[in-house]
Amino acid sequence: SQQGEEDPQALSIQEGENATMNCSYKTSINNLQWYRQNSGRGLVHLILIRSNEREKHSGRLRVTLDTSKKSSSLLITASRAADTASYFCATAPWVGTDKLIFGTGTRLQVFP
Amino acid sequence: SAVISQKPSRDICQRGTSLTIQCQVDSQVTMMFWYRQQPGQSLTLIATANQGSEATYESGFVIDKFPISRPNLTFSTLTVSNMSPEDSSIYLCSVEVQRGYSYNEQFFGPGTRLTVL
Repeated sequence: SQQGEEDPQALSIQEGENATMNCSYKTSINNLQWYRQNSGRGLVHLILIRSNEREKHSGRLRVTLDTSKKSSSLLITASRAADTASYFCATAPWVGTDKLIFGTGTRLQVFP
Repeated sequence: SAVISQKPSRDICQRGTSLTIQCQVDSQVTMMFWYRQQPGQSLTLIATANQGSEATYESGFVIDKFPISRPNLTFSTLTVSNMSPEDSSIYLCSVEVQRGYSYNEQFFGPGTRLTVL
C-alpha cells in the first residue's frame, strides 16, 4: 500500500501547548497537503507544501518537509480547544497526476 | 478555494436499497473526485468523475456498485447501489483547484454520512 503513516495515532495536550504530528510516505511526491477533520465531517484544507520547499507557515501552523526521509511534520503552536480534530496528511505522488494518497491520521484532543 | 455542497448530509438506509449523493461546486472545475471514509479510517479514493465520459475507478471499486455521473463542470452524483452494512461510511466529494504550474490543491465537501441497517 502506498498509504502514508502518521504518528502519533492519538495525541492529548492542554491548551497553550504545542502539538506536533508526523507523516511518512513511500513514493516520490510533487506536493504534500495537510487537512483537518472535525468529528467525522468534511475536510478543511490547511496547507500545501511543494517538494522543493522545506518549511511553510500559516498562522499558528508550521509544516516541514524532508524529501530525503520522505517525511513531513505539522506543528500547531499555542493550541486551543477548537483545534481538537483529526489531522491527515495527503501526498500527490507525481506531476501530472491528481490523485491524493491519504495518511492514517492523528486524532488530536486539546483540553481546556 | 471552492465552495462545495453535498446532499444529503446524512441518511439511514435499508439493506438492498440505493442512495444517490449529489455534489455541487460554486465554480467550474475540471477535476472532481469521490472518496469513502469508513468508520475510524482514513480516506480512500473511489473514482475520478470525468465530465462527458465514464468515471475512472480505483482498484476495488466498480461502476455497477458506485455509478457516477458528471453532466457538467459544477455537478456530480455518486450512487451507492444495493447497499449492505459494510457500505456505512462517510462519502466525500472533492475538487481540484490549480495553484501553480505543476501543483494543485484539493478541497472537500462536508461529506455524506451513510448508515446502512
